[in-house]
Amino acid sequence: SAVISQKPSRDICQRGTSLTIQCQVDSQVTMMFWYRQQPGQSLTLIATANQGSEATYESGFVIDKFPISRPNLTFSTLTVSNMSPEDSSIYLCSVVRQLQETQYFGPGTRLLVL
Amino acid sequence: AQSVTQPDIHITVSEGASLELRCNYSYGATPYLFWYVQSPGQGLQLLLKYFSGDTLVQGIKGFEAEFKRSQSSFNLRKPSVHWSDAAEYFCAVGASGLTGGGNKLTFGTGTQLKVEL
Repeated sequence: SAVISQKPSRDICQRGTSLTIQCQVDSQVTMMFWYRQQPGQSLTLIATANQGSEATYESGFVIDKFPISRPNLTFSTLTVSNMSPEDSSIYLCSVVRQLQETQYFGPGTRLLVL
Repeated sequence: AQSVTQPDIHITVSEGASLELRCNYSYGATPYLFWYVQSPGQGLQLLLKYFSGDTLVQGIKGFEAEFKRSQSSFNLRKPSVHWSDAAEYFCAVGASGLTGGGNKLTFGTGTQLKVEL
C-alpha cells in the first residue's frame, strides 16, 4: 500500500478565491491522480498529474480552473481557482506505485465555498 | 468508454445477516475491477480487487467478490454483516493494458449500507 497525506484536510473559502491542495506520498510512485467527489456523488477523475510535464485533464476539466503541479515522484498539488459554491466538494489524490497495480487514495480535502 | 452501474443506492440489513452489493460494468476488454469503502468523513479504502485468475477474490474485513464475465458483474458479498460495516461502497473499473491496471478508474455511484442492530 501507500501512505498518502493531504493538506489541508478541510477548508472554508470565499467565492472568487483560490485554494491549493497538497498531496504527499511516503515513497516514489509511478502515477498520481486527482479526483473530485461532489456532495452525495461518486468520484470523478479530474486529471492525471504528470511528473515534469503538464497534467492530462479529463473532459470537462481545464487547466485554468484546476492547475496541477507534480515536481517530483512523491508530491503533487491541485489548485482550485476562482472558486464558486459549485466547487464545494471533497478532493482526493490517489497514487499507483507501479503500472498495473492498485490505486490508493488519500484521506481527501473537504472544501466548502461560501 | 468504460462505465459502472451500482443499481442499489441504499441497502439496509440487520447485523449478522448476509450482504450482497451489486455491480455491473461495461468495458471492451478484460477489466480490472475494484471495491472501495468510504466511511463517513474518511477517504477510500480498498476492500478487494480483480486483475486476473481466480474469479472469486477475497478481501479485507471478510468481504469477497466474484467476477462473472458472462454477466459483466462483480458483486460484493459478506456472509455476516457487522455494525461497523455501515458505510458507502464503491465499485470501480480500471483500464487494462500496459498503462492500465490501476489507471483512470471509473466509479459507480455508490451504495450506502445501513446496518440495523
